[in-house]
Amino acid sequence: EADIYQTPRYLVIGTGKKITLECSQTMGHDKMYWYQQDPGMELHLIHYSYGVNSTEKGDLSSESTVSRIRTEHFPLTLESARPSHTSQYLCASSDSGTSPNEQYFGPGTRLTVT
Amino acid sequence: KQEVTQIPAALSVPEGENLVLNCSFTDSAIYNLQWFRQDPGKGLTSLLLIQSSQREQTSGRLNASLDKSSGRSTLYIAASQPGDSATYLCAVMGGFKTIFGAGTRLFVKA
Repeated sequence: EADIYQTPRYLVIGTGKKITLECSQTMGHDKMYWYQQDPGMELHLIHYSYGVNSTEKGDLSSESTVSRIRTEHFPLTLESARPSHTSQYLCASSDSGTSPNEQYFGPGTRLTVT
Repeated sequence: KQEVTQIPAALSVPEGENLVLNCSFTDSAIYNLQWFRQDPGKGLTSLLLIQSSQREQTSGRLNASLDKSSGRSTLYIAASQPGDSATYLCAVMGGFKTIFGAGTRLFVKA
């Protein structure tokens, strides 16, 4: 079973608020990812990290930012939430050494911006 | 640019039936392909990963095959059960990116 955690699981917040979605993994994986998924649609990569102090933007343009100060922690921040940010956010990790690119996912955070 | 297509988009079968889910991709230069299961409102659970040098992987009632030359993968589910009802996603990993299909929504009727 994958040990990757996301908090909160559900969040309803008003427009203009700053929010941080937390993601942690205890597997020592070097790579971590954030995906955005609208209901019934594909996952789209919004951010990824190859290791500490390494972050890159994904394919889908996002107004969010990420940081990777510790291997196990990869938080995603929205400085000013808008209704268009309403979606499910999924965090994942992988180990480039033992099982290249096999990704393990957290349970997701369902965000609603009113 | 890699594109991943899953057919059918939705499938409803009676319990006990064997079924095949299809995944096709446009660029054969891939590292591996992973099949996931997603329950409503939840994260993704990894089912099988096939590395580019492999042809198939099996886990219990599941068997996944990979044909890179034709850009296709299939997920075979034997003796389907109501608990198999979920969305099944395939993901193609090439370079630094992972591209997901939109999924097949499976409903197994008791």
